[in-house]
Amino acid sequence: AQSVTQLDSHVSVSEGTPVLLRCNYSSSYSPSLFWYVQHPNKGLQLLLKYTSAATLVKGINGFEAEFKKSETSFHLTKPSAHMSDAAEYFCVVSDLYNNNDMRFGAGTRLTVKP
Amino acid sequence: DTGVSQDPRHKITKRGQNVTFRCDPISEHNRLYWYRQTLGQGPEFLTYFQNEAQLEKSRLLSDRFSAERPKGSFSTLEIQRTEQGDSAMYLCASSPRTSGTYEQYFGPGTRLTVT
Repeated sequence: AQSVTQLDSHVSVSEGTPVLLRCNYSSSYSPSLFWYVQHPNKGLQLLLKYTSAATLVKGINGFEAEFKKSETSFHLTKPSAHMSDAAEYFCVVSDLYNNNDMRFGAGTRLTVKP
Repeated sequence: DTGVSQDPRHKITKRGQNVTFRCDPISEHNRLYWYRQTLGQGPEFLTYFQNEAQLEKSRLLSDRFSAERPKGSFSTLEIQRTEQGDSAMYLCASSPRTSGTYEQYFGPGTRLTVT
């Protein structure tokens, strides 16, 4: 069985400060891990994915995440928040060899203050 | 725009009525997925198709729900005898059939409100 836990339901940062969105996963298999972003009235957009290659994954819009197997974590970071980053973020785990079974976390709402 | 499209974007219906949603995937993608997302939660898997074959269904998909993808292109999701608990965002996603890991591309969703 696979699951993810997003440790914060809401994160608030000031524009220009670092962003950290935390995600822990549980997987019986070698996992694939993803971060998706959902802006209001928009579809889910892939930010980045980990698929057993480099443990530090760079994504779009300056986001990156580090896969830490010992900690079963895949936290999302960005050095400097922008107002346009305000959205809902979802951490997702799937079996590396069966992407049909994708398990989403409950989401973290990121607020960016001016 | 060549992304995943869904129609309608919003649907309000009375309890007991039937509703049907449509999803048009990215044209070269042969896998199509349906998810349900309720307020404050992440999307939950409902079912998926490879071409026209429905290969997996979640236990969330009660017998009031049916999905089709008759020609391996667009898909429809029908809910019969809607209940207030069916109110949610219904998301469609598609992905290409390639070796290795691939991501799913999501549509904007259909928001269903059952009154």
